[in-house]
Amino acid sequence: GDSVTQMEGPVTLSEEAFLTINCTYTATGYPSLFWYVQYPGEGLQLLLKATKADDKGSNKGFEATYRKETTSFHLEKGSVQVSDSAVYFCALSSNTGKLIFGQGTTLQVKP
Amino acid sequence: NAGVMQNPRHLVRRRGQEARLRCSPMKGHSHVYWYRQLPEEGLKFMVYLQKENIIDESGMPKERFSAEFPKEGPSILRIQQVVRGDSAAYFCASSPPQGQGPNSPLHFGNGTRLTVT
Repeated sequence: GDSVTQMEGPVTLSEEAFLTINCTYTATGYPSLFWYVQYPGEGLQLLLKATKADDKGSNKGFEATYRKETTSFHLEKGSVQVSDSAVYFCALSSNTGKLIFGQGTTLQVKP
Repeated sequence: NAGVMQNPRHLVRRRGQEARLRCSPMKGHSHVYWYRQLPEEGLKFMVYLQKENIIDESGMPKERFSAEFPKEGPSILRIQQVVRGDSAAYFCASSPPQGQGPNSPLHFGNGTRLTVT
């Protein structure tokens, strides 16, 4: 079945460091791909999305490119801030109408 | 424009009791999804409902768990005879009538954190 695998956390970075969180997927067909962010005590918020191969989603300085050849959708940000500390979830839209999530990666940014 | 509303935010139940979790979708949304987040794990799909109709319940445990989304009122996730392993955060999400997709991503509530003592 469809699945999403993320790099394990926690990821701890200093402010202004470069961020990469790896995400790979297995799916039939051509899913849409998403990154969601969860701040402490809150629900998930959509961060960015990409609907087809080579699409780049971007928002708030975060980017991710849909790579069909490597079945990947890695999240990147050039310079993280303390306020980016959260849990990040990679997800795909299955052909059965539901989102399938990775296990989440906790990011801690230290000042 | 209120988002997805879940209540209660925190729920404590003793083993063997029943837990009822409520979810009111965003205005104009008619599809509801329930997910469970266990400690140190990702979100696991449980059930997908439209008004008065269960679309996909492939993620629901076979016993003790049920969900409904009546014509009027919120969606309810019901857990009977709770056990310690049911302790988790339960998230509800909603989407417009066309369902979840790239142009209609899911909107999540803040979750209900269930603790079974």
